[in-house]
Amino acid sequence: GQQVMQIPQYQHVQEGEDFTTYCNSSTTLSNIQWYKQRPGGHPVFLIQLVKSGEVKKQKRLTFQFGEAKKNSSLHITATQTTDVGTYFCPSPGAGSYQLTFGKGTKLSVIP
Amino acid sequence: GAGVSQSPSNKVTEKGKDVELRCDPISGHTALYWYRQSLGQGLEFLIYFQGNSAPDKSGLPSDRFSAERTGGSVSTLTIQRTQQEDSAVYLCASSIAPGNRDFNYGYTFGSGTRLTVV
Repeated sequence: GQQVMQIPQYQHVQEGEDFTTYCNSSTTLSNIQWYKQRPGGHPVFLIQLVKSGEVKKQKRLTFQFGEAKKNSSLHITATQTTDVGTYFCPSPGAGSYQLTFGKGTKLSVIP
Repeated sequence: GAGVSQSPSNKVTEKGKDVELRCDPISGHTALYWYRQSLGQGLEFLIYFQGNSAPDKSGLPSDRFSAERTGGSVSTLTIQRTQQEDSAVYLCASSIAPGNRDFNYGYTFGSGTRLTVV
């Protein structure tokens, strides 16, 4: 499988500050997905990136897939308390048919 | 259905008892996945179904865990002789089709079953 490391593990920001989480792989990724899990909730699919250098935006969220398809980032502009949660970038598992979720990045927003 | 439905939402059981957790995936989704999440941890993959078949059961923590899927739809995860370390949130997800080397479809997760073994 393709092992992806995600950093940071935790991030505390003041409301209104920007936030970025990074996912890095030692091998080329076929695609990467992003999920958000609110406290007490379940993971929710946000987006999938497939193409080299791809950039997609969802309101204040910007997702990027690196040119070499070995890294990806999620950037949130002007965080709000509704952004609180854990963000995951799961990678294809050993059998390629299931996704392997790490611990993600836990975002706390201080009002 | 419109989403992935899991039941029960909460289950408290005594150590040593058996429990059954149910997952009803989105209609038409051929792939179904079970994960568990302990407090403050990531998601641990348990098992995956393509139709009614489970090609890889290696993620199941022990032989006390088993799962089945019938009619290409509802899946049941059974834990026999529950132990305290089995306490976790058990999450089910489905996708329109299984992934492969080149592509993975997005997952829709259910709200989970919170299992507490006392």
